Amino acid sequence: GAVVSQHPSRVICKSGTSVKIECRSLDFQATTMFWYRQFPKQSLMLMATSNEGSKATYEQGVEKDKFLINHASLTLSTLTVTSAHPEDSSFYICSATEGGGWGNSPLHFGNGTRLTVT
Amino acid sequence: QKEVEQNSGPLSVPEGAIASLNCTYSDRGSQSFFWYRQYSGKSPELIMSIYSNGDKEDGRFTAQLNKASQYVSLLIRDSQPSDSATYLCAVNRAQAGTALIFGKGTTLSVSS
Repeated sequence: GAVVSQHPSRVICKSGTSVKIECRSLDFQATTMFWYRQFPKQSLMLMATSNEGSKATYEQGVEKDKFLINHASLTLSTLTVTSAHPEDSSFYICSATEGGGWGNSPLHFGNGTRLTVT
Repeated sequence: QKEVEQNSGPLSVPEGAIASLNCTYSDRGSQSFFWYRQYSGKSPELIMSIYSNGDKEDGRFTAQLNKASQYVSLLIRDSQPSDSATYLCAVNRAQAGTALIFGKGTTLSVSS
């Protein structure tokens, strides 16, 4: 089955520093990847849609200058949380789909990154 | 109105019983519907997908879709303690390609 690898699984950083999270599709090409964020006991909130070779599309309320997304190849997307603050502490999950179109292919999720900003 | 709504629960059922999870969505143009299971601290894993009205069965799981009522459900037969988790309903956003919008999830607890 389709495998999405996300790294690191857990990171602790100091307030004001930047953190980069990598998401790789290991056995398929992902034209589109999605980044979600999940706070405790909340649902997954879509942050942005990442398309290979083009600028990411951010959801309303998500600061594009704070959450930098780069999708440089068909198998790799990165999310950089810049100038992190304690309120950015959350569970960040990337996902990718094998097919395009209107969502008939399910999303495959990475294992998530638990970010803690102290 | 929230795009995808679920009763947060917890829903408690005894082992061997049928667990019924419900979900409603607001975007009439949605075309694809998914149920994911999420254990605490883990990422979601796909259980079922359904695209047309009616029932779809896979082992102990049955997904039901009624587009006219904008309603999708998941039935779990012969519930096991290992089924205890949060179940997320996800719907594709019709105008945004393949992005999925998730409900808050329903926490299921199966007691032995």
